[in-house]
Amino acid sequence: AQKVTQAQTEISVVEKEDVTLDCVYETRDTTYYLFWYKQPPSGELVFLIRRNSFDEQNEISGRYSWNFQKSTSSFNFTITASQVVDSAVYFCALIQFYFGTGTSLTVIP
Amino acid sequence: DGGITQSPKYLFRKEGQNVTLSCEQNLNHDAMYWYRQDPGQGLRLIYYSQIVNDFQKGDIAEGYSVSREKKESFPLTVTSAQKNPTAFYLCASSKGTSGDQETQYFGPGTRLLVL
Repeated sequence: AQKVTQAQTEISVVEKEDVTLDCVYETRDTTYYLFWYKQPPSGELVFLIRRNSFDEQNEISGRYSWNFQKSTSSFNFTITASQVVDSAVYFCALIQFYFGTGTSLTVIP
Repeated sequence: DGGITQSPKYLFRKEGQNVTLSCEQNLNHDAMYWYRQDPGQGLRLIYYSQIVNDFQKGDIAEGYSVSREKKESFPLTVTSAQKNPTAFYLCASSKGTSGDQETQYFGPGTRLLVL
């Protein structure tokens, strides 16, 4: 079965704190892609990152970083020095069809 | 600007009525998708289409129908058989359905409410 679990339903942090959003997935496929999307209050999902299952290198993009560990089937997302504009719902997805239930992040000024 | 448009932003349905949600893309993408989003449940796949005149059921296709007569358009009809249609509906497209072509680009969504 293909499944994505985001156990953190809601997280609140104070501005400038670091925050990590967890994502655990299940799949029997040997090759697959993982994704993170951001859904701001406007509702439209925005693509953040795509990771191939063969590439376990961590990725950093500005204040965002992603830690992919195939051994633990996890693809965690860290925001460093959070800002109010980071407040949104974040979804992890396995291939293009299987989304987690999302983590709602609130950054308090 | 390239992107995906969905209309209307809000849609009201009466009991027993069929309603159609519009989705148009000008990204020249082959694949298009419809998702339903309910509070606390994330996105669930209703239908997807890899090419024109072809579409596949997702996990929750019952009570919904689609067509793909043009590459740019993928309308979703919510039929009277869908007993709980109140939700936020998101349309997406991608270049393809495998590998790095799976990255999806989403429209702004349509919120469907039952009167």
